[in-house]
Parts: sequence; C-alpha cells; structure tokens
Amino acid sequence: GQQVMQIPQYQHVQEGEDFTTYCNSSTTLSNIQWYKQRPGGHPVFLIQLVKSGEVKKQKRLTFQFGEAKKNSSLHITATQTTDVGTYFCGNYGQNFVFGPGTRLSVLP
Amino acid sequence: NAGVTQTPKFQVLKTGQSMTLQCAQDMNHEYMSWYRQDPGMGLRLIHYSVGAGITDQGEVPNGYNVSRSTTEDFPLRLLSAAPSQTSVYFCASSRALAPNVPDNSPLHFGNGTRLTVT
Repeated sequence: GQQVMQIPQYQHVQEGEDFTTYCNSSTTLSNIQWYKQRPGGHPVFLIQLVKSGEVKKQKRLTFQFGEAKKNSSLHITATQTTDVGTYFCGNYGQNFVFGPGTRLSVLP
Repeated sequence: NAGVTQTPKFQVLKTGQSMTLQCAQDMNHEYMSWYRQDPGMGLRLIHYSVGAGITDQGEVPNGYNVSRSTTEDFPLRLLSAAPSQTSVYFCASSRALAPNVPDNSPLHFGNGTRLTVT
C-alpha cells in the first residue's frame, strides 16, 4: 500500500491555541481520509477529501487537500480539551493504510 | 444497529496458545480488515477481505490467519501466540473500497480486543 507520513508525532498545546497536523505522501493520492481516536477508544471517521485543493470545514476543524494531491492538513482552531486524541490520515491504495498519527494533548 | 462487533474485549494468553478473535458486522459491508495497534503506535494492517471468499495479506500478516466464509464475519486466528503479539486489535469494515479511486467509503471500527500474551 501507499505510505503516508504525518508530522508532528506529538503536539502539546494550551487550551485555546491552534493545532495543525500534516499528512504527506511521495506519490499522488486518490483521496485522503481523516480519523480521530480518543484515548482508549477506536478510530472514528471525520472526513474524506478527493479533489485537488479541496477545503472542508467542520466547526473548528479545517481540512485541506494539496493541489498536487500529495499532502493534506487538519487544522483545529482554539483547541478544547475534547479535542484530545490521536489524529490519523489514511488512504486506500492497494489496501487501506494509515499514517502513524499525531497525538494531541490539550492542557487546560 | 450494532455496527461492528468484536469479541472478546480482553484476552490473556500464554505463549504457544491459539485463539480466534471474532468480528461481525451487520451493515452488509463488502470490505473488512484487521489492524493491530501497539502502545503509542499507529494502525498496522494485518489482513483484509474485499468480499466473501476473498482474503489478502496486509503489512504484518505473519502469525495470523483469516477466513471470510460469510459477508458478516471475519475472524482472526492466532496460530501460536507470542509476546510480540500483545496488542490491541481492531476490526474495521466499509461498504466497498476500490483501489485508487477518488471516492471511497469510510471505515467503521469495532471497539477493539486488548490481547496480552505472557
């Protein structure tokens, strides 16, 4: 399957600060999906991006797909303690593989 | 609507024992898959299936077997448990996935099985 990398691996922010995680691939991606996993929980689907340059918003979350469809980002504005968890990007090449994830901690 | 159901939730095995992790979905999904997640690690694909009677290997298939005799069930068998297989195992399903097409269905995950091998 295609390999996707994510940075950073960990991010600690103060509540109210913004947060961004990046997903990068060396090859063009047909689509990108983002998932959130709360501590002790299972991954939950957030969104799918399919078009070059696509931007989608869900309340305080903004998702972007790069023009070359090789990278994607998830930006959270004014983080809250409920945003704590690990954010994974994933792609279906020959099978569905996930990036290593970014673990977000939010300090109250 | 139960979604994806995994059993058991917890399991402790001794080295060399075998067991089967169960996964069932009631959404008539064609695609099913197994991932393992080690502490602080991402999700690594073990095996997957694109439909009944069809299975294929993922990134880390060694030590595991799968079968897909029905659309609903996708059990994962550990042949001879090893401490390195201590992990959390997630089963996931999707309506249908096709390689390298723009619009794919999201994965629905079970709650996981936490396995310890001593």
